[in-house]
Amino acid sequence: EPEVTQTPSHQVTQMGQEVILRCVPISNHLYFYWYRQILGQKVEFLVSFYNNEISEKSEIFDDQFSVERPDGSNFTLKIRSTKLEDSAMYFCASSAKATGVNYGYTFGSGTRLTVV
Amino acid sequence: KQEVTQIPAALSVPEGENLVLNCSFTDSAIYNLQWFRQDPGKGLTSLLLIQSSQREQTSGRLNASLDKSSGRSTLYIAASQPGDSATYLCAVVGDYQLIWGAGTKLIIKP
Repeated sequence: EPEVTQTPSHQVTQMGQEVILRCVPISNHLYFYWYRQILGQKVEFLVSFYNNEISEKSEIFDDQFSVERPDGSNFTLKIRSTKLEDSAMYFCASSAKATGVNYGYTFGSGTRLTVV
Repeated sequence: KQEVTQIPAALSVPEGENLVLNCSFTDSAIYNLQWFRQDPGKGLTSLLLIQSSQREQTSGRLNASLDKSSGRSTLYIAASQPGDSATYLCAVVGDYQLIWGAGTKLIIKP
């Protein structure tokens, strides 16, 4: 069964550093997403991406964050100047259609980011 | 603003029991609803997807129902096993994003 692949599985970074989280969505999917889950809290939407541009973003997704699809297969989330409160599990997801209709959303196994 | 609530927050039952997990949402204008499983520290595994036009979906021992008019979905697990122990999350699709419940942490005792 097709999978969404995320790397690395764990990342520890010092406060103020930049990190890039990587994702390889399912190859025939067109819509890509980043979500995050702070320990003990609900999963939160960050951003959706379609046709090489952001289609929707949450209040969380401020200038500290950016996304890119650099080469047609990878989908990255960059977090600049990391803060302690950025520590969370970050999930990448993809879907064939905008609302996940027919097939839903497929999630990767996540990257656990720890900012120290 | 869509709010998703899952009750109970935690549930512990003996192996072999049938059980029901509940999910409620405040805005019935959803595209679909998806149930996920999350093991501790792990990713989100999709269990069942219910389109807005559907009433239920089944996969093995799992059955999910959807009643849009009342803003409710249930996940029924038959003949529970210790391997079913995990957190179960429901998420609804509104405006092109998933809105998540906080999950029900399920423990199946051998």
